[in-house]
Amino acid sequence: DGGITQSPKYLFRKEGQNVTLSCEQNLNHDAMYWYRQDPGQGLRLIYYSQIVNDFQKGDIAEGYSVSREKKESFPLTVTSAQKNPTAFYLCASTGLAGEVETQYFGPGTRLLVL
Amino acid sequence: GQNIDQPTEMTATEGAIVQINCTYQTSGFNGLFWYQQHAGEAPTFLSYNVLDGLEEKGRFSSFLSRSKGYSYLLLKELQMKDSASYLCAVMDSNYQLIWGAGTKLIIKP
Repeated sequence: DGGITQSPKYLFRKEGQNVTLSCEQNLNHDAMYWYRQDPGQGLRLIYYSQIVNDFQKGDIAEGYSVSREKKESFPLTVTSAQKNPTAFYLCASTGLAGEVETQYFGPGTRLLVL
Repeated sequence: GQNIDQPTEMTATEGAIVQINCTYQTSGFNGLFWYQQHAGEAPTFLSYNVLDGLEEKGRFSSFLSRSKGYSYLLLKELQMKDSASYLCAVMDSNYQLIWGAGTKLIIKP
């Protein structure tokens, strides 16, 4: 079955630590996205990538970094510079649902600070 | 700035009908999406409107008025499994999705 996988489901970060969230898709989609979801707020775009070896900052990129070395993979690193990292992180890719181009989401990673 | 407004929470009864409203102000418009998100899970695509009018898909329908910056999602014959958050998102002139905070729908027996 095609889809998007994210790991781990839960991740704990200590002060000053960098952590990396995995996102893999086997849908053959070109565009991939990382969002952050906080209670009471809409999804906010962190980074996106339209093609391999290229990515763009979203609205809240500070304290995060990404890479896109392979079409299937778009990992997100939460650096120690991100002072409030506790959130639900969602990875998505863009593809067709019938005739509509829409975003498909992975199951998410919940990041908690110790 | 860009803004999407939805009610924070709504309650409805099993078997009834509920309408979830969404108003938007964005720089450009390239379509409006509705997604369903169960607690702790990923959003899943429900519907897309780019022209004015009603799109019907089974128990779910979505309406758009571009002149009013307004959409609604109509859910009929509510079932307990419809308890979820419903997210409204607008694609702006840069083809980026702008997301509302979501409406948490609680279904009571």
